[in-house]
This record gives sequence, structure tokens and C-alpha cells, in this order.
Amino acid sequence: SQKIEQNSEALNIQEGKTATLTCNYTNYSPAYLQWYRQDPGRGPVFLLLIRENEKEKRKERLKVTFDTTLKQSLFHITASQPADSATYLCALADTGGFKTIFGAGTRLFVKA
Amino acid sequence: DGGITQSPKYLFRKEGQNVTLSCEQNLNHDAMYWYRQDPGQGLRLIYYSQIVNDFQKGDIAEGYSVSREKKESFPLTVTSAQKNPTAFYLCASSISGDLSTDTQYFGPGTRLTVL
Repeated sequence: SQKIEQNSEALNIQEGKTATLTCNYTNYSPAYLQWYRQDPGRGPVFLLLIRENEKEKRKERLKVTFDTTLKQSLFHITASQPADSATYLCALADTGGFKTIFGAGTRLFVKA
Repeated sequence: DGGITQSPKYLFRKEGQNVTLSCEQNLNHDAMYWYRQDPGQGLRLIYYSQIVNDFQKGDIAEGYSVSREKKESFPLTVTSAQKNPTAFYLCASSISGDLSTDTQYFGPGTRLTVL
């Protein structure tokens, strides 16, 4: 069955360092992948979308890579800040694009 | 929260009761979605609608019902047939429903607890 895996353990890093979160998937050939941020008790907020023919995408301090051979996406936050502390979700969709499947998310804590 | 409102924020239900969760958007989006989120699990799709008066079952539709009589509204009813309804419910919308070009905008969520 289709499966998305994100590290269930929380990631703790020091302010100013780069945070790297991983999203792995199996039994799926997504056309694109999205990353969302979710704060406790709130709805997810879209951050970045990367398509299968794109290797890397950047937005300010955020960078996403997408390796369809490894079936993996990496999400980087450079110069991390305590305000970046949240849960980050990855989501995949197929070519039809009408439905997405979400990972369980990775909780990030950035210490001042 | 992107012009999507959900109410109430917290909802308590007794076993055997139906409850309806409200979702309204003022973004003029065609597509709307309902997800359920449980601790340690990804969001799971309950129902989605790409156009008024039409909706499709998602992966976990059993025990739920929806309607889409107006473009801006997509209420979700949790019926007594839903065996484990306690969860965080999220409504979302997108411009056209083609998620290869659109992104989803989520509401603030409704936390439903069955007493």
C-alpha cells in the first residue's frame, strides 16, 4: 500500500543551525510533493510545492529537494529561529492531482 | 487561516448523537475538502467536492456525510455510525481542485470529543 514516512521523533536543534527534515515514500509515483507547517491546535499552512521534474526549490530560508529515484524529499530550514518550532508535514499527490496523502509530520524544536 | 472558518472550535458529543461541523470559505474556491487528524497519523481524507452539488468519498467516508449546496459552504455531519469520532477535523479549499497546480488552504479546525 502507499506509504509516507516522516521521522516520528522530534528534532531538536540550536538557533542559527540548519534543520533538515526527511520525507520518504513507498509504492507511489507522485507528480509533486508539498510541505506544510502546522502549529499546535491549528490548521496546516502551505510552504512549498516541488514537482517530479524539479530537483530543488527555494523560498527565503527554506529549501526542498525531491529525489524520485530515492523516493525521498528533504526539507531544510537555514538559520533556524525559535519561531520555526512547529510540526512540518509532507504531502504527495499523483498526476490527477485531486487527492493528496499526508505524512504524520515531524515536530521541530528550535532552542534559543 | 486563509479565509476559511470552521465552527465550533471545540465540540462535545454524546454517543449516539449526530453532529454537524461547519466550514465556510470566502476565497471563491471551487474545491473543498474534509480531513481527519489523529495523533501520530497523517491527515486522512473524508470527503471532497470539486463543484457545487457534487462530492466524492475520500479514504474514510464511512460514518460521515456532507452536502455542497453553496460554493462557500461544505458542512460535515458525523453520524452515530462513526465508531471512533473523537479527532481533530480540518476543512480545506483550493482554487480548482487540481492539486498539481493549486495548494490547499486550511481552516483552524474543530476538535470533536465524544463523551
